Amino acid sequence: GEDVEQSLFLSVREGDSSVINCTYTDSSSTYLYWYKQEPGAGLQLLTYIFSNMDMKQDQRLTVLLNKKDKHLSLRIADTQTGDSAIYFCAETRGNEKLTFGTGTRLTIIP
Amino acid sequence: NAGVTQTPKFRVLKTGQSMTLLCAQDMNHEYMYWYRQDPGMGLRLIHYSVGEGTTAKGEVPDGYNVSRLKKQNFLLGLESAAPSQTSVYFCASSRLQGGGYTFGSGTRLTVV
Repeated sequence: GEDVEQSLFLSVREGDSSVINCTYTDSSSTYLYWYKQEPGAGLQLLTYIFSNMDMKQDQRLTVLLNKKDKHLSLRIADTQTGDSAIYFCAETRGNEKLTFGTGTRLTIIP
Repeated sequence: NAGVTQTPKFRVLKTGQSMTLLCAQDMNHEYMYWYRQDPGMGLRLIHYSVGEGTTAKGEVPDGYNVSRLKKQNFLLGLESAAPSQTSVYFCASSRLQGGGYTFGSGTRLTVV
């Protein structure tokens, strides 16, 4: 079955770039998502990328997709304290439910 | 536009008690989902629905039941609560099954 892997923790100094990585096993994945969960809240959709794209940029966020290695990353430029959260990647083949990773807790060091 | 609303936000149950968690969405979404979130385990799908009147099991359905009598509501029931069901429960909905999900703010349930 499908599997989505993420590191559990990442610490980054304020102002630096954060790179959160995700690997998946389903080569048929067509949509890949990044969600953000702030403390005590639900998940919010941050951004997504179609499998026919290599990169997507949205202000401080850059998503990179390497289909050959089944590797997805989220880069947050100029990381701020408000970026502290758990980040989940998720994948789907488009007509099926999303499969979520375990989430990466991003901690910002002042 | 409220999106996905979950009630209650917090609840403490004694072992063996029953309760129902309510999820309501106002986006006319066909698909609805119930997840539980436990530390280090990410999100695990309990049950889901692909439309009014339908329900299906997810990866951890035991001890839970669901109903979708109206398109906008998805209820999660615990008939006899156990301490292992202590968790944060999230409801989500989507227009397409593989589309972006909209999540509620969660229900924190403690079973003592």
